[in-house]
Amino acid sequence: KAGVTQTPRYLIKTRGQQVTLSCSPISGHRSVSWYQQTPGQGLQFLFEYFSETQRNKGNFPGRFSGRQFSNSRSEMNVSTLELGDSALYLCASSSDRDPGANVLTFGAGSRLTVL
Amino acid sequence: KNQVEQSPQSLIILEGKNCTLQCNYTVSPFSNLRWYKQDTGRGPVSLTIMTFSENTKSNGRYTATLDADTKQSSLHITASQLSDSASYICVPGGYQKVTFGTGTKLQVIP
Repeated sequence: KAGVTQTPRYLIKTRGQQVTLSCSPISGHRSVSWYQQTPGQGLQFLFEYFSETQRNKGNFPGRFSGRQFSNSRSEMNVSTLELGDSALYLCASSSDRDPGANVLTFGAGSRLTVL
Repeated sequence: KNQVEQSPQSLIILEGKNCTLQCNYTVSPFSNLRWYKQDTGRGPVSLTIMTFSENTKSNGRYTATLDADTKQSSLHITASQLSDSASYICVPGGYQKVTFGTGTKLQVIP
């Protein structure tokens, strides 16, 4: 059973650019959530999608957006990149409609560096 | 406001020794608590999950305890190995919401 796949694994961008990250969940999982992780900050919740609908959203500016497709694959986009956006972006999938009740399976992450 | 405090922030132990990591939380609603292990540069991997009615859960050399009354959990690692070097994250959760601790960074040295 394939795990959660995130692409790309590493990328370097410059300030002002935009970036799109992709996440393919475990087959059958319909919930996908995104997190930003920076040193000392822990995982910060970005948003969660279930059946193509955004169910929850964290406290991030509108430059951060996402979507989910009918096959449950998800993308997140960050526009007008800032230096502070440099982080490990993690995607997690869950088989249950409530990610608070089930085990999240994480991908390996996409390491974004903004220069 | 939901909060999770983990201690210590970092820890260095000798291979073969035991250690215990602590987690205090204030989370509502609360229905379960999970511990994750995260290797550097990788995504977290689930170690244990306990519902509010469970007191202990083991996964090999990892044993988690939960006291829902005092809102405390601990993760005990027995006979540590070099591969245990990682960050350990406490994650209390409830309906449609999880809150991540900042983790304890464990380094096991020979």
